[in-house]
Formats: sequence, C-alpha cells, structure tokens
Amino acid sequence: GQNIDQPTEMTATEGAIVQINCTYQTSGFNGLFWYQQHAGEAPTFLSYNVLDGLEEKGRFSSFLSRSKGYSYLLLKELQMKDSASYLCAVMDSNYQLIWGAGTKLIIKP
Amino acid sequence: GAVVSQHPSWVICKSGTSVKIECRSLDFQATTMFWYRQFPKQSLMLMATSNEGSKATYEQGVEKDKFLINHASLTLSTLTVTSAHPEDSSFYICSARVEVAAQETQYFGPGTRLLVL
Repeated sequence: GQNIDQPTEMTATEGAIVQINCTYQTSGFNGLFWYQQHAGEAPTFLSYNVLDGLEEKGRFSSFLSRSKGYSYLLLKELQMKDSASYLCAVMDSNYQLIWGAGTKLIIKP
Repeated sequence: GAVVSQHPSWVICKSGTSVKIECRSLDFQATTMFWYRQFPKQSLMLMATSNEGSKATYEQGVEKDKFLINHASLTLSTLTVTSAHPEDSSFYICSARVEVAAQETQYFGPGTRLLVL
C-alpha cells in the first residue's frame, strides 16, 4: 500500500533550527510537496521537490532522496508564527496526492 | 490513520457539462468537510466548507450556484461543477475534519483532476 510517515508533533525553541522528516512508500513518484497549515486556515504551499537534493527558499529548505524515499523540511531562525502543522504529500504515478498526517510544530519562547 | 477518498480521480469533459465529484470518509464520520482547488505548485484555495445536514459556507468569490455542494451523510460530500468551462480546469481536493483527543485534524483526499475542453 501507499504510506507517508511523519512525526505527529515536535517542539522547538524560538530562534533555533528544526528538521521535520517525511518517509514515503508510493506507487510511482511525481514529486513531493510540503505545506504549512495554521489552525483554521487552508494549507499554504512551501516547496516542491522532484529531483534529489536540497532546495532553499529563505528560512525554509526542503531535501529529497528518492532512492531512500525520504524528505525533510528544515526551518531556520524559528519564529513564533512558525507554530503550525506541516504536511508532507507525495504525488504518485496517477498524479494523485498521498498525504501524510501532518506534524504539529510547537515553538516555545 | 483516517482515510479520505475522492471519485473520480480524473475527469475530462466538454464545456457546458456538469461534473460531480465525491468525497468520502472511509473509516470515520465527518460532520465537516472542506473543498479546495489547487493550481500547479500553489497553495490550496478553500472554496467552501461543507456541513452535514446544512448548507455549505462558501468563500468570497466562489459562486455557490456554479459549485453545488451536498453533504447528505456523515461520510459523503459531493461537489458538482455546473456548466463547466475551461477556466474551471483544476485540481480539486477535499478534506474531512476530525476531532481526536480534543485536537482538530484534517485528513485530505487524493484529489480530482478536472480538465474541461
């Protein structure tokens, strides 16, 4: 079956760095997405990786290893507003999204 | 974990036809479901909130007469795109809201690709 795994919850300190991991097993691969979702709001697109390697975008970076079925989202210089759920989603061979359950990130002062 | 399915996965239709998309919660009941549309590599845009047994709540700019939502049971919500036009071509995603241990979570469906010719 198809499966996306990410931690349920993580806690980090303001100003620090946090890495949210995502492992996947899917039928085919057409890219991996990371979204940020604040409570009561729609998910916001953060990144899309389809090739191996690191994509950096400001304070956020996303890494992909297709051979390992692994990705991570790296958040630097954490701010209180980064407290949110982070969703990992993989697009399979049918161009359908397989969603992880999300990682709730709690930032403490 | 909770599973949300959507049917169909792909739809190709002629301009002017209506298309119905189903969103089902497979192993849980959901009083609230959400409908989103997504353009490539963009954020999900909330279209409407579907509440079981009552009228849907539409976001500003979404035509309720064009995007008909029916949430007739605790496991099924449908989105009907009436008189579809090419500009309605998009990726439609639903989600179901669940409360687990007093925490609210959304489970997302795999999406439905609509192409209007």
